[in-house]
Amino acid sequence: DTEVTQTPKHLVMGMTNKKSLKCEQHMGHRAMYWYKQKAKKPPELMFVYSYEKLSINESVPSRFSPECPNSSLLNLHLHALQPEDSALYLCASSQPGTMNTGELFFGEGSRLTVL
Amino acid sequence: GEDVEQSLFLSVREGDSSVINCTYTDSSSTYLYWYKQEPGAGLQLLTYIFSNMDMKQDQRLTVLLNKKDKHLSLRIADTQTGDSAIYFCAESISPKDGNNRKLIWGLGTSLAVNP
Repeated sequence: DTEVTQTPKHLVMGMTNKKSLKCEQHMGHRAMYWYKQKAKKPPELMFVYSYEKLSINESVPSRFSPECPNSSLLNLHLHALQPEDSALYLCASSQPGTMNTGELFFGEGSRLTVL
Repeated sequence: GEDVEQSLFLSVREGDSSVINCTYTDSSSTYLYWYKQEPGAGLQLLTYIFSNMDMKQDQRLTVLLNKKDKHLSLRIADTQTGDSAIYFCAESISPKDGNNRKLIWGLGTSLAVNP
């Protein structure tokens, strides 16, 4: 069983909707990530939060807005998305810092369809 | 540049060994990872190897690292139908911010296990 929980598992939204994806972990990890994955492709990094501060934004369009309310929670707010944004959105967590192995613990993902 | 390459498909018979290969380009890689993704699921870390190691064994999994040739392999002994999945190789490159590693992913190898 994954220790990173993502909700919802599936989301269908129109291009004018506003929705949010949520992620929660209770492993005490202080780095959390959003990845986007298209079918049969590797995950693409979107955002990294380290100690609740945004540390990496991989030039993601502003229609995706991340939020890290506390060390256990990570949200991804979605607004005015395009059909090409349809994908599996994966949350992950890890221990930050170079002394750790840096392995990522992934959630099961939220499958987003934009109509 | 940073690049990780894998063959896209591998088909084996149940009970045989599977060997999935990966090459990478960044000589500063500290850790190399194998992740498994079953259909419709998130990514699961299978194993990782530190760059100063040549081999790591964990039950049915054997990882071999040839740092000179920048070649990584994953051997799965006694392959089962439950091993059918996409296997991603990833290298961890040194972060510029001193905190979070950045993972460079291969395209994934789709392993089909035939009964």
